Amino acid sequence: KQEVTQIPAALSVPEGENLVLNCSFTDSAIYNLQWFRQDPGKGLTSLLLIQSSQREQTSGRLNASLDKSSGRSTLYIAASQPGDSATYLCAIPDRGGSEKLVFGKGTKLTVNP
Amino acid sequence: NAGVTQTPKFQVLKTGQSMTLQCAQDMNHEYMSWYRQDPGMGLRLIHYSVGAGITDQGEVPNGYNVSRSTTEDFPLRLLSAAPSQTSVYFCASKGTGRAEAFFGQGTRLTVV
Repeated sequence: KQEVTQIPAALSVPEGENLVLNCSFTDSAIYNLQWFRQDPGKGLTSLLLIQSSQREQTSGRLNASLDKSSGRSTLYIAASQPGDSATYLCAIPDRGGSEKLVFGKGTKLTVNP
Repeated sequence: NAGVTQTPKFQVLKTGQSMTLQCAQDMNHEYMSWYRQDPGMGLRLIHYSVGAGITDQGEVPNGYNVSRSTTEDFPLRLLSAAPSQTSVYFCASKGTGRAEAFFGQGTRLTVV
């Protein structure tokens, strides 16, 4: 069974800093990986979906990378802003093309003005 | 532009009561699923469906029932609520293949 780990559990940075959030997984035979953002008391908002054939995916100030061989994905946030404060979650299909997603427990990001 | 809609947003139940959490999607997605989110446990899959008339159990199915009579709707039923079912519940939908998953805004359920 796929296991997903996100370290650190919490991160606090000053505004304007570039930062990297980490996601590691145990089974490198993944279909794709999805990054979500969750604001307090809210649902999950999809940020980026990176397919197994891709190395990177970009959306605005966000860049997700995928290294299947090392079982890692990173979410890079450029020029962080207080509005980026949220919990960031990564999710991977349980196996192959399974529709069952396995989630990490998330990294809670605080960007201080 | 509704996406995945969950109702209600908040609910308080007494132990032993029953209720149905509603989930509807307007993206014609085949795959729908229910997760619960608990502090320290992350998101865990309760039940999922790969199409109308087809459902299966996830990681934590006990105490919950589902059915999928249409592509659009995937209700989650609690037959006899227990305090251990206090949680935030999320419904998700996804198209076939290597598609993106979309989530509803959640239902915060408290069982007293």
